Amino acid sequence: EAGVAQSPRYKIIEKRQSVAFWCNPISGHATLYWYQQILGQGPKLLIQFQNNGVVDDSQLPKDRFSAERLKGVDSTLKIQPAKLEDSAVYLCASSSHIGMNTEAFFGQGTRLTVV
Amino acid sequence: AQRVTQPEKLLSVFKGAPVELKCNYSYSGSPELFWYVQYSRQRLQLLLRHISRESIKGFTADLNKGETSFHLKKPFAQEEDSAMYYCALLHSGNTPLVFGKGTRLSVIA
Repeated sequence: EAGVAQSPRYKIIEKRQSVAFWCNPISGHATLYWYQQILGQGPKLLIQFQNNGVVDDSQLPKDRFSAERLKGVDSTLKIQPAKLEDSAVYLCASSSHIGMNTEAFFGQGTRLTVV
Repeated sequence: AQRVTQPEKLLSVFKGAPVELKCNYSYSGSPELFWYVQYSRQRLQLLLRHISRESIKGFTADLNKGETSFHLKKPFAQEEDSAMYYCALLHSGNTPLVFGKGTRLSVIA
């Protein structure tokens, strides 16, 4: 099966600029996650969607980050305005459903550098 | 709050030597534990989960609730095992994975 697709792979922007990332999950996967992975750390959840509804966005910095999943398929994550500390790899993952014993499938990630 | 601790950032072993990647967690309930692996230039992928009690690529992990540990073990390391390994916890059905900081395993020929 095709994997989780993300674009772009790399992005370099200046601080205070805006940036958007796109994710296409595995076909039929109802649950979609955005994780932020800062260098030297493990992935940290930003937001979790179930179909087109938000399940958990408690760790999303809502003053600058936003995410949507229109029609319950593709998703976009936006940062506006970006700060230096937003430099990280942004990972999208999907799973067939929410529940125990559910495997999450990850995309290649988007590496963001804010200068 | 749930927490996953991987005490070693880097672990170097010789080919053929035993490997143990440590993982401890803090959660009072009955979590589900996973090991994810990321090989060079590849995406993060599931290696194994405790509920399956399986051996994948020679790796095993046993959940020890008394010690709140889920260490990953392999009796004889191979060069292709070199990668980043992340321990992760799922504490209920509608919550996301919580990851540790990861351990980089380097197997030396």
